[in-house]
Amino acid sequence: GAVVSQHPSWVICKSGTSVKIECRSLDFQATTMFWYRQFPKQSLMLMATSNEGSKATYEQGVEKDKFLINHASLTLSTLTVTSAHPEDSSFYICSACGPSQGAQPQHFGDGTRLSIL
Amino acid sequence: DAKTTQPTSMDCAEGRAANLPCNHSTISGNEYVYWYRQIHSQGPQYIIHGLKNNETNEMASLIITEDRKSSTLILPHATLRDTAVYYCIAKLFGNEKLTFGTGTRLTIIP
Repeated sequence: GAVVSQHPSWVICKSGTSVKIECRSLDFQATTMFWYRQFPKQSLMLMATSNEGSKATYEQGVEKDKFLINHASLTLSTLTVTSAHPEDSSFYICSACGPSQGAQPQHFGDGTRLSIL
Repeated sequence: DAKTTQPTSMDCAEGRAANLPCNHSTISGNEYVYWYRQIHSQGPQYIIHGLKNNETNEMASLIITEDRKSSTLILPHATLRDTAVYYCIAKLFGNEKLTFGTGTRLTIIP
């Protein structure tokens, strides 16, 4: 089945640093990738949608200058949390989807647990 | 996307069939029903999806009522590893965003 790899799986860093998370589709070309955030005991919340070669579309309330998304190839999207602070600590999850035709499902990475000290 | 309603939690004995209901009374004719599950501290895992016919794969079966206002996910022989939060989502196509509700927390009991 379709495999989405996310790296790193866990990161701890100091407040004020920037953190980059990678999301790769390993066996299919992902024309669309999504980034979600999940706080403890809550459901997943969509942060942004990225299409290869174009700017990401951010959900209301998500700061695009703080959460930089790049989708430069059909197999890789990155999320950079800039100047991270403790309130940015969360579980970040990406998903990827192939070409838009049909009802093929999105496939998710295993998430990145980000802890800001 | 149509709103879905699921019970907050359910228990099921190991080895028995787990039947997880989902109501989606406002679903439109071209919206699919997708099921995902999330095991603790992992990303969601795709299970199955359908439009109006019943579907079965190696993981589960999906039964959709004739009026499409509700569906049931069936795990035929639940194991302890099936303990997870199960999400039922109605949406149009694969590359459209998924809106996660609170899901059903399924606990398989030994």
